Amino acid sequence: IVVTQSPVTLSVSPGERVTLSCRASQSVSINLAWYQQKPGQAPRLLIYGASTRATGIPARFSGSGSGTEFTLTISSLESEDFAVYYCQQYNNWPPYTFGQGTKLEIK
Amino acid sequence: EVQLVVSGGAVVQPGGSLRVSCEASGFIFDDYAIHWVRQSPGKGLEWISLINWDGGSSYYADSVKGRFTLSRDNSKKSVYLQMDNLRPDDSALYYCVKGSEGHHADSSGLSYFDSWGQGTLVSVSS
Repeated sequence: IVVTQSPVTLSVSPGERVTLSCRASQSVSINLAWYQQKPGQAPRLLIYGASTRATGIPARFSGSGSGTEFTLTISSLESEDFAVYYCQQYNNWPPYTFGQGTKLEIK
Repeated sequence: EVQLVVSGGAVVQPGGSLRVSCEASGFIFDDYAIHWVRQSPGKGLEWISLINWDGGSSYYADSVKGRFTLSRDNSKKSVYLQMDNLRPDDSALYYCVKGSEGHHADSSGLSYFDSWGQGTLVSVSS
């Protein structure tokens, strides 16, 4: 399954609401996760099951979607949210597949 | 707190071999599968392999199948990635990752990655 994220880069200002998109080449039900990666760090799980926040993840992060179309929304961007975000499908494996990432940068 | 400490990264020549290790703590190790995900410099994430809870099953991406082998020692809470016939395109940061389930015989394998180690750098160059 090919997973495609859009856009590749997004320039936004702190306090803005942002929506990132992830599309799978065939249905993955709700078996989709989102990860955040900051420079020099390992990825961190944000969302699993398309919409369930992982432990310790702030409520400003939310996920939605099912089938082939998914979104990650950050309701009000904080400075620490500028990072690269990856989605990953785990419905059809192996392999588990990631999108190519969306980089959130400061406008 | 879950910790996955990875070691063994190095510079190796094309065609060479390397073994990297992942030592876990902070969770019931033999309840969970362990995955490896790699990231080439400036690139995205690529899942390459998993080993199930007892080491009885392992799966590999096509890019490494036949060259990489996973094993685990639950008494040492450790997983080992043996990499043979290394190629320049294997150069990457290799992450050891805890799966959300154990890949038991009767499980679905629907596993996301809930904890990541810090990664170890493997560079394949002459």
